[in-house]
This record gives sequence, structure tokens and C-alpha cells, in this order.
Amino acid sequence: DAGITQSPRYKITETGRQVTLMCHQTWSHSYMFWYRQDLGHGLRLIYYSAAADITDKGEVPDGYVVSRSKTENFPLTLESATRSQTSVYFCASSAPPKFYGYTFGSGTRLTVV
Amino acid sequence: SQQGEEDPQALSIQEGENATMNCSYKTSINNLQWYRQNSGRGLVHLILIRSNEREKHSGRLRVTLDTSKKSSSLLITASRAADTASYFCATAPNAGNNRKLIWGLGTSLAVNP
Repeated sequence: DAGITQSPRYKITETGRQVTLMCHQTWSHSYMFWYRQDLGHGLRLIYYSAAADITDKGEVPDGYVVSRSKTENFPLTLESATRSQTSVYFCASSAPPKFYGYTFGSGTRLTVV
Repeated sequence: SQQGEEDPQALSIQEGENATMNCSYKTSINNLQWYRQNSGRGLVHLILIRSNEREKHSGRLRVTLDTSKKSSSLLITASRAADTASYFCATAPNAGNNRKLIWGLGTSLAVNP
């Protein structure tokens, strides 16, 4: 998806390790979001940000940390990875959702062993 | 906290047939959006319909919205094998901060050649 990139595409890590997933957008969208997608649960919001230095919790924030020092970057850190955090993670960006849809990255498939 | 519920959960049709998916939601909305997700990829925004609109078209897509019934439908006409994907509806609530979309669990569409 042009304009929003996630890295890495795939990641395998061990339980207890710290892992950071990167998200970069080139549209200067004010809003950015992190979701995880698991079978049977659909998309669940982890954290979101309305602007640089403004972040807020979503439905499932425990075990995750975010920062947004620059508008274009919104990294997601798993402080101490657990097997339950094995999932596909999607970053998205948007102008105000009242008027616009989201643009998603291609996702990061994370496996915690 | 899924608001949207898509129906059916899975749909299998032949190429050239029309596919109809439905979405129901619970609270007052500002807009409703439909997204497509191909296997292993991020979601792609298809169409946004505002609460004061009843019908919207985009190519082979037709979306209707009935706010009195709190429901929407997505019609794909003359389906192609390339339309095989999962389709999600998402709503932007009217009340509170509508910075976050609320997602359904999706309809899995298979278009057989």
C-alpha cells in the first residue's frame, strides 16, 4: 500500500523479548492506529494517535507501548513478548475518520515462540 | 466491542453472479465504511456512506444505508474471481469522539471461476 509502510513483514521472537514494529506514512495524516487481527476476533484496536505526542489506548493496550514524536512515524513496542501476542499487526492512518476512510499498511506477522 | 455484524459470515458464488453482504450496527453513526481484505494483505477502503445518504455507487459496488434499521448492504455486481476476499464494514459513531472506527467481523466471499 503506497504511502504507508510497515516493517518488518514477518518476525519471530522469543517469549520475554522486546520487539518493536515500525509504521511510517508519507501523507501527513493526523491520525494513526495500531490493530491486531486474530481469527474469531476481527480487528482489535491496540492504540491510536490523533497527532504527534498525542496517544490513547484502544481495546487491548496491555503489554504494548507506543510513541509518536513525529507525525509520520508510529512505532509499536511489545515490552516483553508473550505467546498470546502472536498475531498479525496492522498500522493505519487517516485524516479525521468523521470524513475519511483509513489507509492500511500490509501488516506484520508476528510469532512469539 | 464489535458494533458491526456482517451477514453472511461466508458466501460462495459463481463468477458473473451478484454478491450481497449485509452489516448491522447498534448506535447512531456519522458514516459507515466498507473495506476489502485479500488474503494476507492489509485492508483496502472501498466506499464511505454518510448517515444522510441512502445509496452510493462506485464502479461495480453499490452500498445502501438504512439508518432506521441500523443496517447497510454492499452489492458487488458481475463478480470476478479477483473479488474473492473478506469484506468488512466499519462505523464512525456519532456520539463522543468519533476518531475511531468500530469494526465488524467480516464476510468471506469466494468467487468461483
